[in-house]
Amino acid sequence: GAVVSQHPSWVICKSGTSVKIECRSLDFQATTMFWYRQFPKQSLMLMATSNEGSKATYEQGVEKDKFLINHASLTLSTLTVTSAHPEDSSFYICSARALAGAQSTQYFGPGTRLTVL
Amino acid sequence: QKEVEQNSGPLSVPEGAIASLNCTYSDRGSQSFFWYRQYSGKSPELIMFIYSNGDKEDGRFTAQLNKASQYVSLLIRDSQPSDSATYLCAVHTGGFKTIFGAGTRLFVKA
Repeated sequence: GAVVSQHPSWVICKSGTSVKIECRSLDFQATTMFWYRQFPKQSLMLMATSNEGSKATYEQGVEKDKFLINHASLTLSTLTVTSAHPEDSSFYICSARALAGAQSTQYFGPGTRLTVL
Repeated sequence: QKEVEQNSGPLSVPEGAIASLNCTYSDRGSQSFFWYRQYSGKSPELIMFIYSNGDKEDGRFTAQLNKASQYVSLLIRDSQPSDSATYLCAVHTGGFKTIFGAGTRLFVKA
């Protein structure tokens, strides 16, 4: 299957600082990338969808000014958590989709565990 | 009604048994169906996808799709303790969005 990488795999930061997470599709071009958040023992929650070269579409309740998404190329998307607070501590997972249309498949990155002190 | 529904479980089966995981979806225009496995603390990994009605087999896994009943299932034969995980059903809808179910937790007892 296709490979999606994320960096860093874990990060600890102080409250008020910003954290950038990178998501790369290593062996395919991702027309669409997705960012999810998952709290312990809870379901995946879609935060936003981004298409290369255009603004991300955020899900209801997700603050676009707090979670900045950039999808500058077909292989790279970044999520920046600005002014992070302890309640932002979570497991952030990106996903990339190779094709548009009915038979597209999403592949997940390994996730980034964020802890805000 | 949720767009993709799964029983949250936990589903507990003995080692060697068949585990049956079920998923229903609401959008009749849905065209692609996926099963992901997620171990605790890890991200989801794709197990299988199915597009056509009927069964699709891959090793110990069989996906079954019934579009008329809007139902997709995953069977795991000869279940192993290492199969213990949360299984996510995902449906690619007619509107080209992928909707994930909340997942079913499976425990395989040794």
